[in-house]
Amino acid sequence: QKEVEQNSGPLSVPEGAIASLNCTYSDRGSQSFFWYRQYSGKSPELIMSIYSNGDKEDGRFTAQLNKASQYVSLLIRDSQPSDSATYLCAPLRYSSASKIIFGSGTRLSIRP
Amino acid sequence: DVKVTQSSRYLVKRTGEKVFLECVQDMDHENMFWYRQDPGLGLRLIYFSYDVKMKEKGDIPEGYSVSREKKERFSLILESASTNQTSMYLCASSSSGRAAETQYFGPGTRLLVL
Repeated sequence: QKEVEQNSGPLSVPEGAIASLNCTYSDRGSQSFFWYRQYSGKSPELIMSIYSNGDKEDGRFTAQLNKASQYVSLLIRDSQPSDSATYLCAPLRYSSASKIIFGSGTRLSIRP
Repeated sequence: DVKVTQSSRYLVKRTGEKVFLECVQDMDHENMFWYRQDPGLGLRLIYFSYDVKMKEKGDIPEGYSVSREKKERFSLILESASTNQTSMYLCASSSSGRAAETQYFGPGTRLLVL
């Protein structure tokens, strides 16, 4: 079992709709969770972080966390063509030297 | 703005060559990381460093070594390049404490080993 599981996609969503990206993780010790966005040919950039169960909203983005189910998701409302990218789920495993474990990402395509 | 730079965007090397990948950050960050990214496998941690001259192995350190002689610079060394090391290499840096959770990435080096 992979430490972080994401559907590779591509996930195709019409412009203006809600895109829903899902992620499950295996390490119950994970305490912080991050979503990175990576445009084709570019490096990842952090767009959301969440630490507690429930929802966290930032503009058009909402991160949802359920630690009991080891599940984290990212919702993008009013999807725009500029949202087309690969989204990486990344739990943080705390240890003597904390390391982020990246999922392989979900490719999102917003169609006009 | 945090800036992380990598010495080359594209590199072509031959099997058996020694390869140096350099990474420099300008934000006085304590932590620096080297990843490789391959299709379907995502980002995998090779090595990281949390202080000058300090290093720790990541998940896939075999065939690689690192050097951090100055705080701002973290080098990845392929002692004897092999074709299975053809990949995109990404360097990242972060501050310490809670801020360590935000990693800033360089533009990447696409390495082809022939």
